[in-house]
Amino acid sequence: SQTIHQWPATLVQPVGSPLSLECTVEGTSNPNLYWYRQAAGRGLQLLFYSVGIGQISSEVPQNLSASRPQDRQFILSSKKLLLSDSGFYLCAWSVPQTVYTFGSGTRLTVV
Amino acid sequence: AQTVTQSQPEMSVQEAETVTLSCTYDTSESNYYLFWYKQPPSRQMILVIRQEAYKQQNATENRFSVNFQKAAKSFSLKISDSQLGDTAMYFCALPQETSGSRLTFGEGTQLTVNP
Repeated sequence: SQTIHQWPATLVQPVGSPLSLECTVEGTSNPNLYWYRQAAGRGLQLLFYSVGIGQISSEVPQNLSASRPQDRQFILSSKKLLLSDSGFYLCAWSVPQTVYTFGSGTRLTVV
Repeated sequence: AQTVTQSQPEMSVQEAETVTLSCTYDTSESNYYLFWYKQPPSRQMILVIRQEAYKQQNATENRFSVNFQKAAKSFSLKISDSQLGDTAMYFCALPQETSGSRLTFGEGTQLTVNP
């Protein structure tokens, strides 16, 4: 069966520090992968999506970047965090025309 | 551009009663999927139900059912026999036209089930 792993669950980082959030998928090949951000009590904002290794599309210009070094690995990064980067980050995968499956999320607090 | 609108930011219902959450959308596609996701306090996103636009029959999953009105572009979620565990944020979602897989989410409806 397919599973998605996302870590860490919680992260507190100082302003200006780097960031690396990782997401891996098991049990499927060539999935579409996504990074979403959610502010408290609000909807989901798509940050990045990828349809294959090395193929990254950005939805919103910002302080973050994404990479897909392997077929089932998706990484969200930042060189220098801002206070505004705080939020809840969700990774997800899908095969076209099927259901999205989400990871358990990472709560990031930038202090 | 397509849109998904949930006009009820918050709703509450008594345990064992029925509640309906509204969702309207706009798309130029003729064949598409619609989804309802649930996000409990743990913040894990969980698929509740899926509707295929070409199917006239409304989808049902146990206590959850939808009222899909394609012409009106309306996709409401009905929860019967509400349980305390149904307390969550509910999101309506529609695949984006350009990719068919990126989802556009509504802003969500916070549902509280009261004992």
